[in-house]
Amino acid sequence: AQKITQTQPGMFVQEKEAVTLDCTYDTSDPSYGLFWYKQPSSGEMIFLIYQGSYDQQNATEGRYSLNFQKARKSANLVISASQLGDSAMYFCAMSVVSGGYNKLIFGAGTRLAVHP
Amino acid sequence: DAMVIQNPRYQVTQFGKPVTLSCSQTLNHNVMYWYQQKSSQAPKLLFHYYDKDFNNEADTPDNFQSRRPNTSFCFLDIRSPGLGDAAMYLCATSRDPQVGETQYFGPGTRLLVL
Repeated sequence: AQKITQTQPGMFVQEKEAVTLDCTYDTSDPSYGLFWYKQPSSGEMIFLIYQGSYDQQNATEGRYSLNFQKARKSANLVISASQLGDSAMYFCAMSVVSGGYNKLIFGAGTRLAVHP
Repeated sequence: DAMVIQNPRYQVTQFGKPVTLSCSQTLNHNVMYWYQQKSSQAPKLLFHYYDKDFNNEADTPDNFQSRRPNTSFCFLDIRSPGLGDAAMYLCATSRDPQVGETQYFGPGTRLLVL
């Protein structure tokens, strides 16, 4: 079964500190992609970072990095130097081919609160 | 800036009264998706278009339909909204349907059913 698991319903972090949001996945497909999206209270899903299953190096995008451990099937998001504006819901998602088409499977999400 | 636009941002409808939500994109992407997201839940894919090919998810109720008259526009029609259809509806696009293609989302339409 293809599944994304985010075990942290909520996380707190102090401003300027780093935080890790956990994500584990399950798939038997050799080719897949892993995404992280941020959803502020306004509702828009904002793409943050992508990791392909064949990528050798961990993806980084500014303050975001993805800690990809393929053998453990984990794809944790690391946010460095947290800012108040990082407070939002964060979704981990897996891209798999289903019925010939790319399909995103989302985890339940983690709500991050950044405190001053 | 290239983007995904959804109108309206908020929609109030009455129980059983048909409603249409719209999505447009300036990214010239081939694939357009509609997701339903209920409060405190993950988005759930309803259906998507790859060009003119329509693909319905197996568990999408018949009450939900979609139209894509051209590359730029896609509509979500709810024929007879029930109270359980109150949710955020998100439109997304991707260049192609391959694994690894990023889906870009619009700001969403919050639907309230009275």
